[in-house]
Amino acid sequence: NAGVTQTPKFQVLKTGQSMTLQCAQDMNHEYMSWYRQDPGMGLRLIHYSVGAGITDQGEVPNGYNVSRSTTEDFPLRLLSAAPSQTSVYFCASSRGNEQFFGPGTRLTVL
Amino acid sequence: RKEVEQDPGPFNVPEGATVAFNCTYSNSASQSFFWYRQDCRKEPKLLMSVYSSGNEDGRFTAQLNRASQYISLLIRDSKLSDSATYLCVVNFGGGGADGLTFGKGTHLIIQP
Repeated sequence: NAGVTQTPKFQVLKTGQSMTLQCAQDMNHEYMSWYRQDPGMGLRLIHYSVGAGITDQGEVPNGYNVSRSTTEDFPLRLLSAAPSQTSVYFCASSRGNEQFFGPGTRLTVL
Repeated sequence: RKEVEQDPGPFNVPEGATVAFNCTYSNSASQSFFWYRQDCRKEPKLLMSVYSSGNEDGRFTAQLNRASQYISLLIRDSKLSDSATYLCVVNFGGGGADGLTFGKGTHLIIQP
């Protein structure tokens, strides 16, 4: 089992560019979510999905889109990157209350 | 209101010592509680769940005090490898990730 995988590990974008952060899990978990982690802040939920075809907004959804066409994949799209989106992004899948996190993507927006 | 408060530290502790830190939460209706561990530049991983009756796993003990709305983590005989940030996580009642609130973490440094 690879668990939760994320690509890329690092990314630098210019303001206004768009990109997709990839997330995949092989544990057959229905629940998947995206968080961002900033210095001095706790993990904050961006979007989550309770199953294929179903997504919902978390605490900080603005500037991000998600889709869930399969159980395995849950990509996060930045529509027009802004410096405020510089952060570490974690994807997670969950069984009950336990979150299994991917290794993260470190994103810098210039 | 969903708030989870932790002392950010750092807690500098000599190897072999016992260390404890608390986490307070805002909502008395909170349902479940967890401690996660996050190593530097790594992802968080579940350390242990916190049950009403307390929970012990080797050198780690977690306690819940519902009356005072806090949970605690005690580490005995601390090891260098215990150096990490410990995140307090509270489920305020959602079905999954949407119900979880993460604290900002307590940074622990075990010194030789």
